[in-house]
Amino acid sequence: AQKITQTQPGMFVQEKEAVTLDCTYDTSDQSYGLFWYKQPSSGEMIFLIYQGSYDEQNATEGRYSLNFQKARKSANLVISASQLGDSAMYFCAMSAPYNFNKFYFGSGTKLNVKP
Amino acid sequence: GAGVSQSPRYKVAKRGQDVALRCDPISGHVSLFWYQQALGQGPEFLTYFQNEAQLDKSGLPSDRFFAERPEGSVSTLKIQRTQQEDSAVYLCASRDQGASQPQHFGDGTRLSIL
Repeated sequence: AQKITQTQPGMFVQEKEAVTLDCTYDTSDQSYGLFWYKQPSSGEMIFLIYQGSYDEQNATEGRYSLNFQKARKSANLVISASQLGDSAMYFCAMSAPYNFNKFYFGSGTKLNVKP
Repeated sequence: GAGVSQSPRYKVAKRGQDVALRCDPISGHVSLFWYQQALGQGPEFLTYFQNEAQLDKSGLPSDRFFAERPEGSVSTLKIQRTQQEDSAVYLCASRDQGASQPQHFGDGTRLSIL
């Protein structure tokens, strides 16, 4: 079975600083995808960034970047220049190997951005 | 519509009642997913469809849970004889084809069983 681990239940960061949210995964397969989602208190799940297991470069989307270390099976999310609106739950997810339709989610990290 | 639409947004039911939750995916998305999210936890996979075919229902917690997508677009998740442990947010997502495509989520239905 696939497993996603997010070891930080909660994090604090000062506004305008960078923050790293940790994610490790467990799979013996070579082909999979990694995704990060943001869930504000209003409840909607917002897609942030994607990294394919065969991608050689780390993915970036605006202030979001994914620090992908395949050998260590980690896919940490880096948010640069934190904003108050970044306060939310963040979930790491992995698509099932060779079956990109099935996603497995971690338990999430609650990020609080302080003014 | 532009996004995934779920209704109702909130549902309160008495234990033992049947409930039906609706999901209208993004137009053209072949794949549709249902998740259950407990408070403070990540979404847990329930089932998914490709068009009208239910390809995986391994996450449905019991035979009281049933999902359908008869015409390959709108889907309904039905829970029969509800129990208190069914209280959760039920999320629906749809996805376009391609390995890099994310799942796009609706706002969810918050189900409370009294």
